[in-house]
Amino acid sequence: GQNIDQPTEMTATEGAIVQINCTYQTSGFNGLFWYQQHAGEAPTFLSYNVLDGLEEKGRFSSFLSRSKGYSYLLLKELQMKDSASYLCAVGDSNYQLIWGAGTKLIIKP
Amino acid sequence: IAGITQAPTSQILAAGRRMTLRCTQDMRHNAMYWYRQDLGLGLRLIHYSNTAGTTGKGEVPDGYSVSRANTDDFPLTLASAVPSQTSVYFCASSDRGMVNEQFFGPGTRLTVL
Repeated sequence: GQNIDQPTEMTATEGAIVQINCTYQTSGFNGLFWYQQHAGEAPTFLSYNVLDGLEEKGRFSSFLSRSKGYSYLLLKELQMKDSASYLCAVGDSNYQLIWGAGTKLIIKP
Repeated sequence: IAGITQAPTSQILAAGRRMTLRCTQDMRHNAMYWYRQDLGLGLRLIHYSNTAGTTGKGEVPDGYSVSRANTDDFPLTLASAVPSQTSVYFCASSDRGMVNEQFFGPGTRLTVL
């Protein structure tokens, strides 16, 4: 079956760096997405990786290794507003999107 | 209208009742989706539509139906609601299919008693 694994919850300190991992097992691969979802709100797009390597976008970076079925989202200079859930999603060989359950990130002062 | 709107914002419904959740987008996106989100399970696809006039089943379609009469609207109907359909429902759209950036509506919180 197809599967995406993310840690359920992580805690980090304001101003620090945190890495949220995502491992996947899917039939084929057509890109990996990260979305941010604040409590009670809709998910919003953060990043897209289809080739191996690091994509940087301001304080957020996303890394992909297709051979390892692995990605991470790196958040730098954490701010209280970064407290949210982070969803990993992978496109499979049928161009269907498989979603992980999300990682709840708690930022402490 | 800017982006995607959903109505109602929340609803409490008696089991057995029929309910239609509304979704409208103004981005002229071809593809639209309905998801449900339950604690610990993430987003699960109910139905999708790649273009006006076509629909398809997602991961959890039973008990739900959709229609796509035009580009902008994608209503989701629960023919006879059951308590297990208590969830938060998100409508989303994308320009060129599922494996592209999706834009989400604000969600409908549905409680079936």
